[in-house]
Amino acid sequence: DAGVIQSPRHEVTEMGQEVTLRCKPISGHDYLFWYRQTMMRGLELLIYFNNNVPIDDSGMPEDRFSAKMPNASFSTLKIQPSEPRDSAVYFCASSFGTPKETQYFGPGTRLLVL
Amino acid sequence: GESVGLHLPTLSVQEGDNSIINCAYSNSASDYFIWYKQESGKGPQFIIDIRSNMDKRQGQRVTVLLNKTVKHLSLQIAATQPGDSAVYFCADPPPKGGSEKLVFGKGTKLTVNP
Repeated sequence: DAGVIQSPRHEVTEMGQEVTLRCKPISGHDYLFWYRQTMMRGLELLIYFNNNVPIDDSGMPEDRFSAKMPNASFSTLKIQPSEPRDSAVYFCASSFGTPKETQYFGPGTRLLVL
Repeated sequence: GESVGLHLPTLSVQEGDNSIINCAYSNSASDYFIWYKQESGKGPQFIIDIRSNMDKRQGQRVTVLLNKTVKHLSLQIAATQPGDSAVYFCADPPPKGGSEKLVFGKGTKLTVNP
């Protein structure tokens, strides 16, 4: 089992550029979550999907952030335009059955916006 | 300048000692709790869970205790090893009917000294 796969692992970009983070959940999992982790705010849930449908996006900071899940095996988190305050580690996680059950996290994407 | 961020509780122990990490929760209706471990540069990983109809659950070298009266959880690690050095989070899934979000505590940083 490959686990949750995220790419890229590291991203350095300049302010104003578009950033796209990618996630492949564990096969068979029907919930997918995007989190952001910073020293200031800890681990924050941004959005989660169930069966490819966004269920709760109340954690998305602003309109510059968008997430999609076109199929059960792929999701993207896009930031456009990026700002230095978006610098963080972004995690994708997946689970099966309910969002309250054990979530399996990917290795994260470390984003630095200059 | 002075850095500002989350003040993570820290615990430093000697290799071979037992470790106890504590977590308080606020919702008396919470019925399920999960402990995650996050090693440096990695995503959180599931360690152990406990349901509210239990007071204690044991895993391999780990034990979780639940005190519903004072809304307190503890994670005990026996014979702590250097590989146990990580940040430990307790997560409190909402009870039935609540918002379907897993809320992570700010974490406790465990350092194991050889």
